[in-house]
Amino acid sequence: GNSVTQMEGPVTLSEEAFLTINCTYTATGYPSLFWYVQYPGEGLQLLLKATKADDKGSNKGFEATYRKETTSFHLEKGSVQVSDSAVYFCALKDSSYKLIFGSGTRLLVRP
Amino acid sequence: GAGVSQSPRYKVAKRGQDVALRCDPISGHVSLFWYQQALGQGPEFLTYFQNEAQLDKSGLPSDRFFAERPEGSVSTLKIQRTQQEDSAVYLCASSLEVAGPGNEQFFGPGTRLTVL
Repeated sequence: GNSVTQMEGPVTLSEEAFLTINCTYTATGYPSLFWYVQYPGEGLQLLLKATKADDKGSNKGFEATYRKETTSFHLEKGSVQVSDSAVYFCALKDSSYKLIFGSGTRLLVRP
Repeated sequence: GAGVSQSPRYKVAKRGQDVALRCDPISGHVSLFWYQQALGQGPEFLTYFQNEAQLDKSGLPSDRFFAERPEGSVSTLKIQRTQQEDSAVYLCASSLEVAGPGNEQFFGPGTRLTVL
């Protein structure tokens, strides 16, 4: 079945460091791929998405490229801020409507 | 411009009690979803409504779980005879259109259920 695997956290970085959170997926067909962010006490928010191979999703300085050849959708940011501290979820949606999530990666950014 | 709201935000139940969790989707949204998020895990799909019709309940873990959306807006997730393994955050999401691969789902803050 379809699944998403993302790197385990927590990831601890200093402010202005470079961020990579790895995400790989298993799916039949051509799924849409998403990154969601969950700030403490808040609901999941869509951070970015890509709907076909080689698409790059970007938002708030974060970006991820849909790589079909490596079945990956790694999240990157060039310079993280303390306010980026949150839990990040990679997810896919196949031809249906169900979102399938990874287990989440907690990011902690220290000043 | 209210988002998806859920109530209560926190619920503590004794094992064996029945609970009801409410979701108010964004006004006019056709599609509504329930997900269950266990501690330290990603959300898992429970059920999907298109307007008042429950089109998919394949993710409901047992027949103790029941969801309804009688008028195509507010939805209630009911859990009967709660068990400790039901402890989780229950997330509701809504989507403007009939659900499809590219449509965005907007999530509520969740209800954290703790069963003692």
